Amino acid sequence: QAVVTQEPSLTVSPGGTVTLTCGFSTGAVTSGHNPYWFQQKPGQAPRTLIYDTTNKYSWTPARFSGSLLGGKGALTLTGAQPEDEADYYCFLLFGAARVFGGGTKLTVL
Amino acid sequence: EVQVVESGGGLVLPGGSLRLSCVASGFSFSGYWVTWARQAPGKGLEWVASTNEDGRVKQYVDSVKGRFTISRDNAMNSVFLQMSSLRAEDTAVYYCVSEYKSGHWGQGSLVTVSS
Repeated sequence: QAVVTQEPSLTVSPGGTVTLTCGFSTGAVTSGHNPYWFQQKPGQAPRTLIYDTTNKYSWTPARFSGSLLGGKGALTLTGAQPEDEADYYCFLLFGAARVFGGGTKLTVL
Repeated sequence: EVQVVESGGGLVLPGGSLRLSCVASGFSFSGYWVTWARQAPGKGLEWVASTNEDGRVKQYVDSVKGRFTISRDNAMNSVFLQMSSLRAEDTAVYYCVSEYKSGHWGQGSLVTVSS
């Protein structure tokens, strides 16, 4: 099954901007992979932030946005807040199969 | 209030079986693909299995094929994961999540496979 890659860790300053990416081992990530992004804080269940590349939920803070960037899925956080410190996972669809990325540990410091 | 609740986890011997249930309230599962994912202690999320809206399409990660079966009962707003021939490496918190515009996760159910 496909290998989906993410940066293991990133650091952003409070108020700063950071982009997390989601790559695919043998090609480009496209809208056909319907990229999702999930946030997970310690001791909590994950929650979905983005579906189908760019779409947000009612609970998704406006400072998060999804896109495709240079053949990868991307999650951009603009104006980082301390409460955004968490693990972030992307999720790609390959027909009926799915794959999670390895996760990015985002530190706000 | 929207809720997704998993149940059925516990301690099981290697080679044993468990059936996880995932029940939604406050919204209907029937319009969405539902996925089971798991997270081993200290590790990342791993996709386990998914099923489409009517339950006719099912797909599994290679490591559980032939051992796990996903099913759903839309009348009961529920999705299930029947797990057999369990191994130590199946030890994890198991989550169900509804996809697309729904995006709701349960709180997880811990499965421990140990003698």
